[in-house]
Amino acid sequence: SQQGEEDPQALSIQEGENATMNCSYKTSINNLQWYRQNSGRGLVHLILIRSNEREKHSGRLRVTLDTSKKSSSLLITASRAADTASYFCATGPTSGSRLTFGEGTQLTVNP
Amino acid sequence: DTGVSQDPRHKITKRGQNVTFRCDPISEHNRLYWYRQTLGQGPEFLTYFQNEAQLEKSRLLSDRFSAERPKGSFSTLEIQRTEQGDSAMYLCASSLGVFSGRYGTGELFFGEGSRLTVL
Repeated sequence: SQQGEEDPQALSIQEGENATMNCSYKTSINNLQWYRQNSGRGLVHLILIRSNEREKHSGRLRVTLDTSKKSSSLLITASRAADTASYFCATGPTSGSRLTFGEGTQLTVNP
Repeated sequence: DTGVSQDPRHKITKRGQNVTFRCDPISEHNRLYWYRQTLGQGPEFLTYFQNEAQLEKSRLLSDRFSAERPKGSFSTLEIQRTEQGDSAMYLCASSLGVFSGRYGTGELFFGEGSRLTVL
């Protein structure tokens, strides 16, 4: 079963705009990660935020984590057509080593 | 720079046949994961190895599925008596097992996947 639920399921924006994707999860976590997947390819890790962190930045990416609400958001600023992909959140449990992925958000950035 | 490699990339088989996928992780990684992904869905966890030990196995993994990592390096995933519902992308990932303890599993490095089509 999937731990995370991404919202929205699909997002279409124009180049230069910001894109925000949200992830909610159900159980306690050690960390939350975001991955990107181009169509038909493997997943690529973007960023990891630990359970004791509230915000993290990496280039044009900004991730927030609210453990009290069991939610996270990924913000991509100044989007580019090359950002078109599916984005998944994944949660790392407090015990065990499996990462559990959400259903994903399909982002389309129109040139 | 050799990442995670998977073979074959595509496999078409008839229902009832057996198939085997191979995954070669990044050489210094001691953890290896198998996931299954169907169209429009997120990856679903199947199983996980630390070195040669299979430490976790999903309830999704029926008796027809078996995975091995005999020498703690490459891994194989075999599906016996394939069914049409097994059609999916099978993803392998590896990681360094040092990100443990309080902050759990670290970054996974994924291969390009093996796409299975069962006719």
